[in-house]
Amino acid sequence: DVKVTQSSRYLVKRTGEKVFLECVQDMDHENMFWYRQDPGLGLRLIYFSYDVKMKEKGDIPEGYSVSREKKERFSLILESASTNQTSMYLCASSRLAEQGETQYFGPGTRLLVL
Amino acid sequence: QQQVKQSPQSLIVQKGGISIINCAYENTAFDYFPWYQQFPGKGPALLIAIRPDVSEKKEGRFTISFNKSAKQFSLHIMDSQPGDSATYFCAAVSSGTYKYIFGTGTRLKVLA
Repeated sequence: DVKVTQSSRYLVKRTGEKVFLECVQDMDHENMFWYRQDPGLGLRLIYFSYDVKMKEKGDIPEGYSVSREKKERFSLILESASTNQTSMYLCASSRLAEQGETQYFGPGTRLLVL
Repeated sequence: QQQVKQSPQSLIVQKGGISIINCAYENTAFDYFPWYQQFPGKGPALLIAIRPDVSEKKEGRFTISFNKSAKQFSLHIMDSQPGDSATYFCAAVSSGTYKYIFGTGTRLKVLA
């Protein structure tokens, strides 16, 4: 079974704090993704990585950065948290393949920025 | 052209009934269409997926119907159960990209 784990289920941070969200997958997947999920907006891609140290911006990268130093680990960083970044954050991973592949999601981190 | 339009936004079905959720797309390069099920407080989990070389795929009570010419695909849940109450997302992705395009989700409630 693919397992994607996220470091925290719930986080409460203050405006201006630097926030780290960590994701680990155990299936040797090449691709890893960070999404945020908001009611009525579905899942929106923040960043994805197709290899160690490689990253590409998704649809809403502003205010976020990422780090992938090891294949199994993908971190999302909020440089200076703001209240509009209160959301559910989901990490996912998938194999590298010529055709579209299933993405496997972690349980999510619910972040509240006060 | 990158959008996937999902409907309805919410759905209430009696136990034992059929739940139908529809998705439409425009990008003909999409070649993989998964459906995800998400329970409150959990991450989405793959339910069933289809590639455009088949028109239907069935797994237990869940069926995807795919209409390539109309650029539509739908999820049918037969004999719906209260345990099926969840949010369902359709998605589409094309070869050579890793980017899923998700629908906005359908909140299904199955009444006991």
